[in-house]
Amino acid sequence: GAVVSQHPSRVICKSGTSVKIECRSLDFQATTMFWYRQFPKKSLMLMATSNEGSKATYEQGVEKDKFLINHASLTLSTLTVTSAHPEDSSFYICSAEPGGDEQFFGPGTRLTVL
Amino acid sequence: GDSVTQMEGPVTLSEEAFLTINCTYTATGYPSLFWYVQYPGEGLQLLLKATKADDKGSNKGFEATYRKETTSFHLEKGSVQVSDSAVYFCALSGRGAQKLVFGQGTRLTINP
Repeated sequence: GAVVSQHPSRVICKSGTSVKIECRSLDFQATTMFWYRQFPKKSLMLMATSNEGSKATYEQGVEKDKFLINHASLTLSTLTVTSAHPEDSSFYICSAEPGGDEQFFGPGTRLTVL
Repeated sequence: GDSVTQMEGPVTLSEEAFLTINCTYTATGYPSLFWYVQYPGEGLQLLLKATKADDKGSNKGFEATYRKETTSFHLEKGSVQVSDSAVYFCALSGRGAQKLVFGQGTRLTINP
């Protein structure tokens, strides 16, 4: 099946620093990628939809200047959490869609901001 | 807006027990419905789906039927195994929309 990877799987950073998370589709091209955030014991919440070569579409309430998304190629999307604060600590999950209605999910990245 | 509600977890069962995880939804129009499973340390995987009323999705012994009249998509399995231990997410996507709306997830633990 289609494989999506995320890097890093876990990151700890100091408050005020920026963190970049990569999402790669390993064996298919993804015109669309999605970024989700998952709080403990809560559902996945869609943050933004990323289309290759165009600006990401952010969900209501998500700060686009804080969560920078770049989808520079058909196999790579990045999420940069700028000036991270402890409240940004969370589990970030990406998914990729090769076309059709099925999304393939990465294993997630655990971000801890001290 | 669209929403999905799952039964609260965690759910703990013995091997070979019957499983039901309830899922109800609120949506405009006729959404597609999904069950995803997340095994420890792995990403979400599509378990099954149904795209129209009365459709039954099935995979690995799991089944769920799209019930429009009760806006439900309950997940069932007749005899669970230890390897079924995971977190299960019910989700929907609106007609023509790419976005998935997830329920809160139900953690299932099967004891031998």
